[in-house]
This record gives sequence, C-alpha cells and structure tokens, in this order.
Amino acid sequence: EVQLMESGGGVVRPGGSLRLSCAAFGFTFDDYGMSWVRQAPGKGLEWVSGIKWNGGNTAYVDSVKGRFTISRDNAKNSLYLQMNSLRAEDTGLYYCARYPRKGEQRFDYWGQGTLVTVSS
Amino acid sequence: EILMTQSPATLSVSPGERATLSCRASQSVSSNLAWYQQKPGQAPRLLIYGASTRATGIPARFSGSGSGTDFTLSISSLQSEDFAVYYCQHYNNWPYTFGQGTKLEIK
Repeated sequence: EVQLMESGGGVVRPGGSLRLSCAAFGFTFDDYGMSWVRQAPGKGLEWVSGIKWNGGNTAYVDSVKGRFTISRDNAKNSLYLQMNSLRAEDTGLYYCARYPRKGEQRFDYWGQGTLVTVSS
Repeated sequence: EILMTQSPATLSVSPGERATLSCRASQSVSSNLAWYQQKPGQAPRLLIYGASTRATGIPARFSGSGSGTDFTLSISSLQSEDFAVYYCQHYNNWPYTFGQGTKLEIK
C-alpha cells in the first residue's frame, strides 16, 4: 500500500527554522518526483517546492526562494523540506505528494500533512 | 508563473443534477492539467489528469475536458459524497500552480 507520512511540523517563532520530513512506503521511491504543497488555515492549496526523482532539479514558489530547501534521500525513501527564516504567512498544513518520473506529472498520492505554525 | 483561475468560487447544485466547474490558465498548459477533490480534514484526492483521464477508482460520473487555456470538470448526477472543494492544477512547468478552488455545495 502506498503511504506518505509527513512529520516535523510544530510551533516556531518568526525567524525560526523547521525541517519537515516525508517518509515513503509501498512504492519504488526513485520512480517518482516529489513536491511539497501547503494549505493555510481555511485557504486553498499552494505548491511550494518540487524535486526530480534523482534530486538533480529543484524548484520553489517565489515566496520561499532563498529560505526553503527541498532535498531527498532515495536510500532512505525520504523527502525533506528545510525551512529557515520562517514568517507568519508560512503557517499552514504541509503535504508531500508524489508524481511519476515519466509521463503525466500528476500528484497521485498525498500524505495527510504536518502542521506548521509560525507565531510569536 | 502561470495563473490558474477557477469559476465560480461557489456552486450550489441539487443532488442528482449536473455540476460544471471551470478552470482557466493564463497561458497554454497543453493538456497538463489535473483536478483534485478535497473534503474537510482530508488530503486532496486526484480525480482527473491529462485534462480528461480519470484517475484509478474515480467514478465515471466525473469527466474532464479542454486543452490549452480552458478546462472543465463535469460531475453528472451529483451524489452526496461529491459535495467538496475542487481544485485544478497545471503541471506544464514549475511552479505547478493551483487554482483557488470551487466549493460545490448542496442546494
């Protein structure tokens, strides 16, 4: 059974850091690219960052460039998001999602999310 | 960055009737378009990809159409479990932006 399990969320003060993790189970991890998607309370979905199957290419939404770093460890079937210089507007539920390495790059499986709260 | 605009923001439809949701991209995304359904307290679920291909396990009452900049998600004969928020997303190139969502509510 395919599973994605996020962890690492919590409450942090503005300017602080958090590292999110996403553990993957039930599929060949390096057959998939991965992304982080967040959802502020009561708001819509926002794509945050993506990484290709081999970690060779990464991308970020403009609002997090220079502050967030996405990475993966295929040997550990894990995805990460290092978040620095956190702001109140980074508050939300952070989902990891996978997309096929080849073909249509839709997000076919999602985790249940980990909550990040940035507040003083 | 490609801007995705969904309409309407809220759609009120009676059970058993048909719902039509729209999504427009600010520039062509070819057929690199997906639709997701999200219910309260749940992660999004993939419904449609490639603009018109149903994901595994998605009922035939869900259908997608369009290409380029204009896309439609149709749900025929609405069931109670279909009332939710629907998002479109392009995956033509990074960033893979989402629309702001359409809330489908019971009339």
